Parts: sequence; structure tokens; C-alpha cells
Amino acid sequence: EAGVVQSPRYKIIEKKQPVAFWCNPISGHNTLYWYLQNLGQGPELLIRYENEEAVDDSQLPKDRFSAERLKGVDSTLKIQPAELGDSAVYLCASSLKLTGELFFGEGSRLTVL
Amino acid sequence: GENVEQHPSTLSVQEGDSAVIKCTYSDSASNYFPWYKQELGKRPQLIIDIRSNVGEKKDQRIAVTLNKTAKHFSLHITETQPEDSAVYFCAAWHSGYSTLTFGKGTMLLVSP
Repeated sequence: EAGVVQSPRYKIIEKKQPVAFWCNPISGHNTLYWYLQNLGQGPELLIRYENEEAVDDSQLPKDRFSAERLKGVDSTLKIQPAELGDSAVYLCASSLKLTGELFFGEGSRLTVL
Repeated sequence: GENVEQHPSTLSVQEGDSAVIKCTYSDSASNYFPWYKQELGKRPQLIIDIRSNVGEKKDQRIAVTLNKTAKHFSLHITETQPEDSAVYFCAAWHSGYSTLTFGKGTMLLVSP
């Protein structure tokens, strides 16, 4: 069975440009998470979805970040416009139940120049 | 919200030695504590976990202990091998918020 799939794996953009990341969770996993991982740090939650509903987006910087999960399966995280400080790895994770057992994708590494 | 502290930030051991990584959490409502291993450029992978109704769990060379009263839990790796070199993250799951909070990670280096 395929794990959590993310794309692109790497993205380099100029500041003020937009960027989007895509995630396809494990089949049947209704809960989807986007985490931000800065260099040398642990993952930090940005947003959590239950099916297509964003149930926790308190840590998402809504002035420039947006996310969607229209059909309750795959999800897109967008940054517009990107800033230098957004350089990081954006991890997507999914889980079958609300038990804390998260399965992560390989991440999308963003470099903003 | 939950706060997870992890120590040490780096740990160097010789092959065959044991390694111990310690974490503390702040919210007594947290009830699930996974440990993830992350190799450079790879995804975090779950290596062992423990729930709050258990004090210790072992899986071959790795074990985790939990002290609910003190709100701390530890990862123990015995007979370390060079392939154990990675960054290890502890985390705490808060059932009320359905949120997994991570520590800052420990870089383990096992020298041959």
C-alpha cells in the first residue's frame, strides 16, 4: 500500500512568488495534517483536516497561507506571497483514527531566495 | 497548549553503547507518546510508542518508559549501531485537542 505522497519534493522560488504543495494521504485515512519543520526543529502543526473540514487551523498564518481539501482526500497548501522565513520542510501526515498514530510523507522542501 | 521538552539535543556514542533520550510534557491530558526517527532528508518514521496506561514497552533493541506522575518519558536504545544515527523526536498526543506536539529532536551519532 502506498504511503503518504507529497509533491514537489523540492521547490526553489524568489520571495514574493506563490508556491503550492500537494499531499495525497494513505487511502482511507480521514484525518490529514500539515506540519512545518524548520531546520533542526521538530514538526509544528499548521492545520488539521477531518475529511474536508479544517478543524484546527489556529497555527496557520492566514495572511499568506491557505489550504484546502475539497473532496476529503488529497490536500493543497499554498503560500502567497512567500517570504524568506518560509524556507522549511512542509510535511503532510495522515491517520486513520484520532489516536495520534500519524504517518508522514517525505515532505516538500521550500527554499525562498 | 501542550509543551514537550527533549534532551539532549545531540548525543554521541560508540557502537555497542546504550543511548537514552528524555522528554517531558506539560499537559496531564496527553495519553499517547510516540517516538519518530528521521534520517537526513527522509520522512519521520514511527519506531515505538507507548500509551498512558502502560509504564514500559520494548521492541528488540529499543524501549520506552513512561512516568505519568512526573510527566516524563524516555527512549532507550541498547547495542547501538551506526545505522541508528539519525534525529529522534519524541511527541505527546493530547486527546482533547487531537494534536501531536513534538520535541525539538535529538541528533544521535553512533561512531563505529
